Amino acid sequence: GDSVTQMEGPVTLSEEAFLTINCTYTATGYPSLFWYVQYPGEGLQLLLKATKADDKGSNKGFEATYRKETTSFHLEKGSVQVSDSAVYFCALKNAGGTSYGKLTFGQGTILTVHP
Amino acid sequence: SAVISQKPSRDICQRGTSLTIQCQVDSQVTMMFWYRQQPGQSLTLIATANQGSEATYESGFVIDKFPISRPNLTFSTLTVSNMSPEDSSIYLCSVGDSGLGPQHFGDGTRLSIL
Repeated sequence: GDSVTQMEGPVTLSEEAFLTINCTYTATGYPSLFWYVQYPGEGLQLLLKATKADDKGSNKGFEATYRKETTSFHLEKGSVQVSDSAVYFCALKNAGGTSYGKLTFGQGTILTVHP
Repeated sequence: SAVISQKPSRDICQRGTSLTIQCQVDSQVTMMFWYRQQPGQSLTLIATANQGSEATYESGFVIDKFPISRPNLTFSTLTVSNMSPEDSSIYLCSVGDSGLGPQHFGDGTRLSIL
C-alpha cells in the first residue's frame, strides 16, 4: 500500500536558518502530494500542494517540488522564523483502489525555532 | 476552502462514559472523514462518513466503539463510546473530494479521559 516517510525529528533551528524536512513516498500511480502544518493547540492547515511530477508548491516562503524520479517532496524554507515552530506533516492522496479519497500521512516532524 | 467547525473543542470525561463530537461544514461536501491523533503521533483515519449510509471503518476501528452519523452533506458526528484513558487523543474531522484535491481539517477536539 501507499506510505510516506519523513525525516526523523525533532528539528531545532535558530531564527533565519535554512530549513529542509525530507519526505519520501511509496505509491502506485500518480498521487497528489501535500504538506500540512499543525500549530500548537490547532488542527491541520494545508501549507502547500503539488499534483503532478515537477510541480512546485509554495506558500508563506515554504517550497516543495514533486520529484517522481526520487519519489520525494522535501519541504524547504530559506529563512525560518520563531512563528514557524509547529509540527509538519507530509501526505499523499491516491485516487484509485482502496485509497479512494484518503490521505496517507507521514509521522510528522516537530520544528522548533529559537530567537 | 470550506470552513469546518468542530464542537466541543476540548473535554475531560470520566472512564466508561461516551462523548459525541460534532462537525459542521459551511458548504456541501462529498466526503467527510474522522481521524484520531494520539499524543505525539501522526493522524490515523478512523472512518469515512458516508451520507445516507453506514460509515466505512478502517482496520482496527469498529462501529460499536466509534459510531458515526452523517445525516446530510454538511454535518457529521463521531461518538467515542465507553471511554478509557487510552482514548485520550485529538479527534479531527476533515472534508475532501474523491479526486486528488486536498482535505481540509477542523481544529479538532482534545479529549482527556480520567
